[in-house]
Amino acid sequence: AQTVTQSQPEMSVQEAETVTLSCTYDTSESDYYLFWYKQPPSRQMILVIRQEAYKQQNATENRFSVNFQKAAKSFSLKISDSQLGDAAMYFCAYRSGNRDDKIIFGKGTRLHILP
Amino acid sequence: NAGVTQTPKFQVLKTGQSMTLQCAQDMNHEYMSWYRQDPGMGLRLIHYSVGAGITDQGEVPNGYNVSRSTTEDFPLRLLSAAPSQTSVYFCASSRVSGGYGYTFGSGTRLTVV
Repeated sequence: AQTVTQSQPEMSVQEAETVTLSCTYDTSESDYYLFWYKQPPSRQMILVIRQEAYKQQNATENRFSVNFQKAAKSFSLKISDSQLGDAAMYFCAYRSGNRDDKIIFGKGTRLHILP
Repeated sequence: NAGVTQTPKFQVLKTGQSMTLQCAQDMNHEYMSWYRQDPGMGLRLIHYSVGAGITDQGEVPNGYNVSRSTTEDFPLRLLSAAPSQTSVYFCASSRVSGGYGYTFGSGTRLTVV
């Protein structure tokens, strides 16, 4: 069975600095997708970034980028120029490329932004 | 606005009571699911459905029932509420293929006393 591990329960970063959140996963599949979700205090789950396993190029969305290391099964999220609005819980997630399969979530990393 | 509508947002139940959490989506998504979120546990899958008339159990299905009579609706029923079911519940939907992420509802905070 696939698993997703986020080893950092909490992290802090100074405003305007760069922070990297770690995520590792375990799978025997070659076709899959990886995601980072953000959950601010409002509780709403927001999709931040999506990576297709067959693409070597790392996904980026404005200040958010990933470092996807397929051989190492690592999928870290880098937030550049951190802003107060980035304070949230961040979840790493995995979805098999098989039709009908569910998304598996890590336990999350709570990110604090220090003014 | 298109999306996933989840009601209610907050609910307090007494032990032993039953209730239904409602979830509706208007994106014609085949896949719908229910998760519960507890501190330090991430999101755990309760039940999911890949289309009308088809449901299956997730990681933590005990004490919950679901049905999928239409593509749009996927209600979650608590049969006899227990304090262990105090949690935040999320409904989510997506296409079944193509590796899409979920669209989430806004969540329901349920407290069982």
